[in-house]
Amino acid sequence: SQTIHQWPATLVQPVGSPLSLECTVEGTSNPNLYWYRQAAGRGLQLLFYSVGIGQISSEVPQNLSASRPQDRQFILSSKKLLLSDSGFYLCACGPGTGTYEQYFGPGTRLTVT
Amino acid sequence: GQQVMQIPQYQHVQEGEDFTTYCNSSTTLSNIQWYKQRPGGHPVFLIQLVKSGEVKKQKRLTFQFGEAKKNSSLHITATQTTDVGTYFCAGHSGAGSYQLTFGKGTKLSVIP
Repeated sequence: SQTIHQWPATLVQPVGSPLSLECTVEGTSNPNLYWYRQAAGRGLQLLFYSVGIGQISSEVPQNLSASRPQDRQFILSSKKLLLSDSGFYLCACGPGTGTYEQYFGPGTRLTVT
Repeated sequence: GQQVMQIPQYQHVQEGEDFTTYCNSSTTLSNIQWYKQRPGGHPVFLIQLVKSGEVKKQKRLTFQFGEAKKNSSLHITATQTTDVGTYFCAGHSGAGSYQLTFGKGTKLSVIP
């Protein structure tokens, strides 16, 4: 079964600073990869998803970007963080073929100050 | 676009009482899934329902998919403190889509 690694677990960054969150997946090949954001006590907002290396689909226009440089690596970035970027960032992977369940990483709690 | 509504938003129950959360989609779904997120944790996949009218059980949890494949429910019998968390449903619209549409979740509190 797949294992999703995310780091760091928590992060405090000042407004205007850059951001790079990394997600790596083990135990599966050619997964679909997803970045979600969850505000405190709220639901899951899909930010980006990728069905292959170098392929990124954006769901919400914002100052965040994503990249998939390798099959099992997914990176979320920002050049300048906003206060509204605070939240719980979750990486997820799905097999994408025949079944559509998603498996989530442990997440990164980002606070922008 | 597709919307998935989930009710109630919050539910407080006494330990031993039953609990049900309901999920309704604005469109017909190919399948629906349920996830549980413990406080401070990440969502964990529980189950996927695919067939119209399907009912699946996991110990004290019973999952149903409506005949029209537009609604679903999760029922927990005799809640325990270990059931505390937020339960999300997520709908998949069908082939060609790589996304799930998540409901906003039902936060369950269990009073011992």
